[in-house]
Amino acid sequence: DTEVTQTPKHLVMGMTNKKSLKCEQHMGHRAMYWYKQKAKKPPELMFVYSYEKLSINESVPSRFSPECPNSSLLNLHLHALQPEDSALYLCASSQIPAGTLNEQFFGPGTRLTVL
Amino acid sequence: AQSVAQPEDQVNVAEGNPLTVKCTYSVSGNPYLFWYVQYPNRGLQFLLKYITGDNLVKGSYGFEAEFNKSQTSFHLKKPSALVSDSALYFCAVRDMGYTGGFKTIFGAGTRLFVKA
Repeated sequence: DTEVTQTPKHLVMGMTNKKSLKCEQHMGHRAMYWYKQKAKKPPELMFVYSYEKLSINESVPSRFSPECPNSSLLNLHLHALQPEDSALYLCASSQIPAGTLNEQFFGPGTRLTVL
Repeated sequence: AQSVAQPEDQVNVAEGNPLTVKCTYSVSGNPYLFWYVQYPNRGLQFLLKYITGDNLVKGSYGFEAEFNKSQTSFHLKKPSALVSDSALYFCAVRDMGYTGGFKTIFGAGTRLFVKA
């Protein structure tokens, strides 16, 4: 299985709502990532988890809260978002580099709209 | 700091013609370079990577890339374009300042249109 799955595909939420994005992979990858992507722009890194521990937080606002409950799952909890947070949220995974530099496998993304 | 530049916002090519999508890089140390493709409303898909070794790297879907150290370039090429190659292409470099999982720096992206 070489697939990263993300749910939901689409999400519309109000600024007072709490919602979660979910990501799953079964490739045995021990690095998992959240990216935010605006239309026609490159992905912007938000968080990196290595061995289920947060290793990189790119100064993301606290209204985004990541969680890695086990080596296959990655969540992104959303609360009190702003309309400018509307974007495609991509999850990715990779092997931890060990002598070789490994590419990332991306999920299809969750299209988030904040009203 | 590591960076990549994609000088063209858009590349237009006729089906059957060769295509080139340009990328230049700026890194300290050895460059670790990647190409990804993104189809509409989809995540990114890995095409190929350069770590060390042969300067001509072959990847998925008939794509290849040529690493040129003197010109600090890593251009993506395909001998014969297909309409289905139309997509957004990202060049990327690994930021070696991080360990344990890594930070990838993406270029701005180049939109490829292949006309039938």
